[in-house]
Amino acid sequence: GESVGLHLPTLSVQEGDNSIINCAYSNSASDYFIWYKQESGKGPQFIIDIRSNMDKRQGQRVTVLLNKTVKHLSLQIAATQPGDSAVYFCAENMSGGYNKLIFGAGTRLAVHP
Amino acid sequence: DTEVTQTPKHLVMGMTNKKSLKCEQHMGHRAMYWYKQKAKKPPELMFVYSYEKLSINESVPSRFSPECPNSSLLNLHLHALQPEDSALYLCASSPDRANTEAFFGQGTRLTVV
Repeated sequence: GESVGLHLPTLSVQEGDNSIINCAYSNSASDYFIWYKQESGKGPQFIIDIRSNMDKRQGQRVTVLLNKTVKHLSLQIAATQPGDSAVYFCAENMSGGYNKLIFGAGTRLAVHP
Repeated sequence: DTEVTQTPKHLVMGMTNKKSLKCEQHMGHRAMYWYKQKAKKPPELMFVYSYEKLSINESVPSRFSPECPNSSLLNLHLHALQPEDSALYLCASSPDRANTEAFFGQGTRLTVV
């Protein structure tokens, strides 16, 4: 399940299940979005991106959905594995000229065997 | 080579010290970034350099002074920091056009005592 409080929201899933991580972005003019994975003590690692002229993009085991009407992004991870345990951030590009990536609050994904 | 290398990995400094964080990339990227990340929070943009020129300063205090000596290197000079400046400092780079993936380094864990 999902919990929100003083700590990062946490999504707990069983190994092998599908995970869905959600993100609300702030600027309707944002035209590029990235999902990053951050493991403890490491920098953010690129997972998948999507441009605003698309509503869905698939990668290996991951799918990103974009709903511009309600300014919502989601990341779907198929067959979640223990190695997927990390904090996941969505980021939106708020500048047309170069990357001014603004990050969302983040969600911790905990995968249980 | 898709690496962004940051040194040092850890740094402890006193409030009267002067130190520098270093970042290097050899991907031919012409945009480089500094982000600050506090525990359990998303990365926050500090500075953006484009073609070795400062493009964005997100109202960062002057005790943080960025420098881009060439297209591969980015420094962050630190002077008279406060304990609340303790954080993970992340460097990132991206190609010279907008809406492209930004690659992050592993960060420098800074502690101000």
